[in-house]
Amino acid sequence: QQPVQSPQAVILREGEDAVINCSSSKALYSVHWYRQKHGEAPVFLMILLKGGEQKGHEKISASFNEKKQQSSLYLTASQLSYSGTYFCGTEAGTSYGKLTFGQGTILTVHP
Amino acid sequence: DTAVSQTPKYLVTQMGNDKSIKCEQNLGHDTMYWYKQDSKKFLKIMFSYNNKELIINETVPNRFSPKSPDKAHLNLHINSLELGDSAVYFCASSQDELTSGRALRTDTQYFGPGTRLTVL
Repeated sequence: QQPVQSPQAVILREGEDAVINCSSSKALYSVHWYRQKHGEAPVFLMILLKGGEQKGHEKISASFNEKKQQSSLYLTASQLSYSGTYFCGTEAGTSYGKLTFGQGTILTVHP
Repeated sequence: DTAVSQTPKYLVTQMGNDKSIKCEQNLGHDTMYWYKQDSKKFLKIMFSYNNKELIINETVPNRFSPKSPDKAHLNLHINSLELGDSAVYFCASSQDELTSGRALRTDTQYFGPGTRLTVL
Protein backbone atom coordinates (compact mmCIF):
# COMPACT_ATOMS: atom_id res chain seq x y z
CA GLN A 1 0.00 0.00 0.00
CA GLN A 2 1.55 3.29 -1.07
CA PRO A 3 1.71 6.24 1.32
CA VAL A 4 -0.62 9.16 0.69
CA GLN A 5 0.80 12.63 0.19
CA SER A 6 -1.02 15.92 0.66
CA PRO A 7 -1.52 18.35 -0.86
CA GLN A 8 -1.31 17.07 -4.43
CA ALA A 9 -0.05 20.44 -5.62
CA VAL A 10 0.94 23.76 -4.11
CA ILE A 11 1.81 27.10 -5.67
CA LEU A 12 3.97 29.60 -3.81
CA ARG A 13 5.67 32.94 -4.28
CA GLU A 14 9.37 33.14 -3.50
CA GLY A 15 9.94 33.47 0.20
CA GLU A 16 6.72 31.71 1.24
CA ASP A 17 6.59 28.50 3.27
CA ALA A 18 5.01 25.14 2.51
CA VAL A 19 4.38 21.85 4.28
CA ILE A 20 4.03 18.53 2.50
CA ASN A 21 2.57 15.61 4.40
CA CYS A 22 3.04 11.87 3.97
CA SER A 23 0.83 9.33 5.68
CA SER A 24 1.16 5.54 5.77
CA SER A 25 -1.16 2.75 6.87
CA LYS A 26 1.83 0.64 7.95
CA ALA A 27 4.25 0.85 10.85
CA LEU A 28 7.36 2.50 9.47
CA TYR A 29 11.08 2.09 9.96
CA SER A 30 12.07 5.12 7.93
CA VAL A 31 10.76 7.87 5.68
CA HIS A 32 12.80 9.21 2.75
CA TRP A 33 12.10 12.44 0.88
CA TYR A 34 13.12 13.09 -2.72
CA ARG A 35 12.64 15.95 -5.17
CA GLN A 36 12.30 15.40 -8.90
CA LYS A 37 12.51 18.14 -11.48
CA HIS A 38 10.88 17.71 -14.85
CA GLY A 39 12.79 15.28 -17.05
CA GLU A 40 15.33 14.50 -14.34
CA ALA A 41 15.98 11.80 -11.78
CA PRO A 42 14.71 11.98 -8.20
CA VAL A 43 17.29 13.56 -5.88
CA PHE A 44 17.66 12.71 -2.22
CA LEU A 45 16.61 15.32 0.36
CA MET A 46 16.24 13.64 3.75
CA ILE A 47 15.94 10.39 5.65
CA LEU A 48 14.09 10.18 8.94
CA LEU A 49 14.57 7.04 10.96
CA LYS A 50 12.55 5.41 13.67
CA GLY A 51 14.06 6.58 16.91
CA GLY A 52 14.68 10.14 15.80
CA GLU A 53 17.82 10.04 13.67
CA GLN A 54 17.83 12.27 10.59
CA LYS A 55 20.15 12.69 7.65
CA GLY A 56 19.82 15.27 4.95
CA HIS A 57 19.63 18.72 3.57
CA GLU A 58 20.70 21.72 5.63
CA LYS A 59 17.97 24.06 4.44
CA ILE A 60 15.05 21.67 4.50
CA SER A 61 13.56 20.19 7.63
CA ALA A 62 11.17 17.35 8.27
CA SER A 63 9.46 15.52 11.06
CA PHE A 64 8.47 11.89 11.60
CA ASN A 65 5.68 10.87 13.94
CA GLU A 66 6.17 7.13 14.34
CA LYS A 67 2.95 6.57 16.27
CA LYS A 68 0.84 8.31 13.65
CA GLN A 69 2.91 6.82 10.81
CA GLN A 70 3.24 10.26 9.29
CA SER A 71 5.99 12.54 8.11
CA SER A 72 5.98 16.18 7.09
CA LEU A 73 8.48 18.11 4.97
CA TYR A 74 8.88 21.80 5.76
CA LEU A 75 10.04 24.16 3.04
CA THR A 76 10.72 27.61 4.44
CA ALA A 77 11.58 30.81 2.59
CA SER A 78 11.08 28.98 -0.69
CA GLN A 79 13.32 29.68 -3.66
CA LEU A 80 12.64 29.22 -7.36
CA SER A 81 14.93 26.19 -7.29
CA TYR A 82 12.54 24.41 -4.90
CA SER A 83 10.07 23.86 -7.74
CA GLY A 84 9.56 20.22 -8.62
CA THR A 85 7.68 17.12 -7.54
CA TYR A 86 8.31 15.93 -4.00
CA PHE A 87 8.02 12.25 -3.16
CA CYS A 88 8.03 10.54 0.15
CA GLY A 89 9.26 6.97 0.23
CA THR A 90 8.38 4.81 3.18
CA GLU A 91 10.24 1.76 4.43
CA ALA A 92 7.81 -0.36 6.41
CA GLY A 93 8.88 -2.21 9.51
CA THR A 94 8.67 -5.55 7.76
CA SER A 95 9.76 -4.60 4.23
CA TYR A 96 13.50 -4.63 4.47
CA GLY A 97 15.22 -2.33 2.05
CA LYS A 98 12.07 -1.56 0.07
CA LEU A 99 10.85 1.99 -0.47
CA THR A 100 7.24 2.53 -1.42
CA PHE A 101 6.72 5.99 -2.87
CA GLY A 102 3.75 8.28 -2.52
CA GLN A 103 2.02 9.78 -5.54
CA GLY A 104 4.04 12.99 -5.34
CA THR A 105 3.31 16.65 -4.55
CA ILE A 106 3.93 19.19 -7.28
CA LEU A 107 5.46 22.39 -5.87
CA THR A 108 5.66 25.48 -8.06
CA VAL A 109 7.47 28.59 -6.86
CA HIS A 110 6.87 31.85 -8.72
CA PRO A 111 8.98 35.02 -8.56
CA ASP B 1 32.04 11.65 -12.81
CA THR B 2 28.58 10.15 -13.09
CA ALA B 3 27.64 8.17 -9.99
CA VAL B 4 24.84 6.08 -11.50
CA SER B 5 24.67 5.85 -15.27
CA GLN B 6 22.15 4.21 -17.57
CA THR B 7 22.14 3.43 -21.26
CA PRO B 8 20.38 4.18 -23.43
CA LYS B 9 18.68 7.41 -22.39
CA TYR B 10 15.91 6.95 -24.93
CA LEU B 11 14.59 3.73 -26.41
CA VAL B 12 11.88 3.62 -29.08
CA THR B 13 10.85 0.19 -30.28
CA GLN B 14 8.01 -1.84 -31.73
CA MET B 15 5.66 -4.10 -29.80
CA GLY B 16 6.96 -7.63 -29.53
CA ASN B 17 10.63 -6.70 -29.62
CA ASP B 18 13.18 -7.56 -26.94
CA LYS B 19 15.35 -4.81 -25.44
CA SER B 20 17.87 -4.27 -22.67
CA ILE B 21 18.75 -1.34 -20.43
CA LYS B 22 22.11 -1.19 -18.71
CA CYS B 23 23.00 0.40 -15.40
CA GLU B 24 26.35 0.99 -13.73
CA GLN B 25 27.27 2.65 -10.44
CA ASN B 26 30.72 3.78 -9.35
CA LEU B 27 29.79 4.54 -5.74
CA GLY B 28 30.87 1.19 -4.35
CA HIS B 29 27.33 0.47 -3.16
CA ASP B 30 26.10 -3.02 -2.38
CA THR B 31 22.48 -2.63 -3.48
CA MET B 32 20.98 -1.70 -6.82
CA TYR B 33 17.37 -1.20 -7.86
CA TRP B 34 15.11 -0.88 -10.86
CA TYR B 35 12.10 1.45 -10.67
CA LYS B 36 9.37 2.15 -13.19
CA GLN B 37 7.83 5.61 -13.39
CA ASP B 38 4.62 5.75 -15.40
CA SER B 39 2.98 8.68 -17.17
CA LYS B 40 1.30 9.76 -13.93
CA LYS B 41 4.73 9.98 -12.28
CA PHE B 42 4.02 7.01 -10.01
CA LEU B 43 7.42 5.60 -9.01
CA LYS B 44 7.30 1.88 -8.28
CA ILE B 45 10.05 -0.52 -7.35
CA MET B 46 10.51 -3.54 -9.58
CA PHE B 47 13.64 -5.32 -8.37
CA SER B 48 16.58 -4.94 -6.04
CA TYR B 49 19.87 -6.79 -5.81
CA ASN B 50 22.27 -6.86 -2.89
CA ASN B 51 25.76 -8.09 -3.73
CA LYS B 52 24.41 -9.75 -6.89
CA GLU B 53 21.64 -11.53 -4.99
CA LEU B 54 17.98 -10.83 -5.83
CA ILE B 55 16.34 -9.32 -2.74
CA ILE B 56 13.16 -7.66 -3.96
CA ASN B 57 11.08 -9.01 -6.81
CA GLU B 58 7.81 -7.18 -7.01
CA THR B 59 4.80 -8.29 -8.99
CA VAL B 60 6.41 -7.78 -12.36
CA PRO B 61 5.64 -9.83 -15.49
CA ASN B 62 8.27 -12.49 -16.08
CA ARG B 63 9.01 -10.81 -19.40
CA PHE B 64 11.22 -8.57 -17.25
CA SER B 65 14.47 -10.22 -16.21
CA PRO B 66 17.14 -8.39 -14.23
CA LYS B 67 20.74 -9.54 -14.26
CA SER B 68 23.57 -8.45 -12.01
CA PRO B 69 26.97 -9.61 -13.33
CA ASP B 70 28.72 -7.87 -10.43
CA LYS B 71 27.68 -5.49 -7.69
CA ALA B 72 28.43 -2.41 -9.83
CA HIS B 73 26.09 -3.42 -12.65
CA LEU B 74 22.41 -4.22 -12.90
CA ASN B 75 20.84 -4.73 -16.30
CA LEU B 76 17.20 -5.09 -17.22
CA HIS B 77 16.09 -7.24 -20.14
CA ILE B 78 12.54 -7.02 -21.40
CA ASN B 79 11.06 -9.62 -23.73
CA SER B 80 8.04 -9.24 -25.98
CA LEU B 81 7.53 -5.55 -25.28
CA GLU B 82 3.96 -4.31 -24.85
CA LEU B 83 2.42 -0.85 -25.13
CA GLY B 84 1.98 -0.75 -21.34
CA ASP B 85 5.73 -1.08 -20.83
CA SER B 86 6.18 2.49 -22.05
CA ALA B 87 7.55 4.43 -19.07
CA VAL B 88 10.73 5.89 -17.65
CA TYR B 89 12.91 3.24 -16.01
CA PHE B 90 15.26 4.39 -13.27
CA CYS B 91 18.17 2.50 -11.86
CA ALA B 92 19.28 3.40 -8.33
CA SER B 93 21.91 2.29 -5.84
CA SER B 94 22.38 2.55 -2.11
CA GLN B 95 24.69 1.37 0.62
CA ASP B 96 22.27 -0.54 2.77
CA GLU B 97 22.87 -0.79 6.47
CA LEU B 98 22.77 -3.87 8.63
CA THR B 99 20.87 -3.09 11.81
CA SER B 100 21.53 -4.67 15.16
CA GLY B 101 18.80 -7.17 14.29
CA ARG B 102 20.78 -8.06 11.12
CA ALA B 103 18.08 -6.69 8.85
CA LEU B 104 19.14 -4.82 5.73
CA ARG B 105 17.79 -1.28 5.75
CA THR B 106 18.05 1.08 2.83
CA ASP B 107 20.09 4.26 3.09
CA THR B 108 20.11 7.15 0.61
CA GLN B 109 19.25 5.94 -2.88
CA TYR B 110 21.07 7.56 -5.78
CA PHE B 111 19.12 7.48 -9.02
CA GLY B 112 20.44 7.23 -12.53
CA PRO B 113 19.21 9.69 -15.20
CA GLY B 114 16.49 7.32 -16.41
CA THR B 115 15.70 5.54 -19.67
CA ARG B 116 12.57 6.68 -21.46
CA LEU B 117 11.11 3.61 -23.16
CA THR B 118 8.46 4.12 -25.82
CA VAL B 119 6.76 1.07 -27.28
CA LEU B 120 4.90 1.70 -30.55
